[in-house]
Amino acid sequence: AQTVTQSQPEMSVQEAETVTLSCTYDTSESDYYLFWYKQPPSRQMILVIRQEAYKQQNATENRFSVNFQKAAKSFSLKISDSQLGDAAMYFCASVNYGGSQGNLIFGKGTKLSVKP
Amino acid sequence: KAGVTQTPRYLIKTRGQQVTLSCSPISGHRSVSWYQQTPGQGLQFLFEYFSETQRNKGNFPGRFSGRQFSNSRSEMNVSTLELGDSALYLCASSLITGPGGELFFGEGSRLTVL
Repeated sequence: AQTVTQSQPEMSVQEAETVTLSCTYDTSESDYYLFWYKQPPSRQMILVIRQEAYKQQNATENRFSVNFQKAAKSFSLKISDSQLGDAAMYFCASVNYGGSQGNLIFGKGTKLSVKP
Repeated sequence: KAGVTQTPRYLIKTRGQQVTLSCSPISGHRSVSWYQQTPGQGLQFLFEYFSETQRNKGNFPGRFSGRQFSNSRSEMNVSTLELGDSALYLCASSLITGPGGELFFGEGSRLTVL
């Protein structure tokens, strides 16, 4: 069975600094997708970044980047130049290539606080 | 373009009652998924619908059911409510059916069972 583990329940970062959120996963499949979703307080969850397992190049979206280590089954999210609006719950998720899109396996989440 | 709309946003029920939650996906999205979010268990997959057919179901008891209509709107129903059913129920829609696509979430329906 697929599992996703986020070992940091809470993290804090100073505005304008960099923070890294950790995620490890376990799957027996060789092809899968990994995601980071952001859930701001009382607002919709939105996709931050997506990584396809067969791509060795780490995905990047503006201030957000990932460090994807396939052999170690690690998928960390780096947020550079942190902003107050980055404060949210961050969820790591995975889905196997042969799976259905809607059936994501989520980690328990990391609550990120941004200090001004 | 309107986002995913879930109604009601908040509701309070008592044990033994039943509840129906509604989800209107983004226009053109035919895939709808439901998740239960609780502090203890996190986000757990309930079911996924595409073109009125249930494609996948999570590990929940039969008290949890759902359906999708021809206009892609979806409803989920929980019968014989238990205290443990208190949760935020999230609906998500997507444009494509294969894995890897982006899920667009609604703000959720927060159910409290007393």
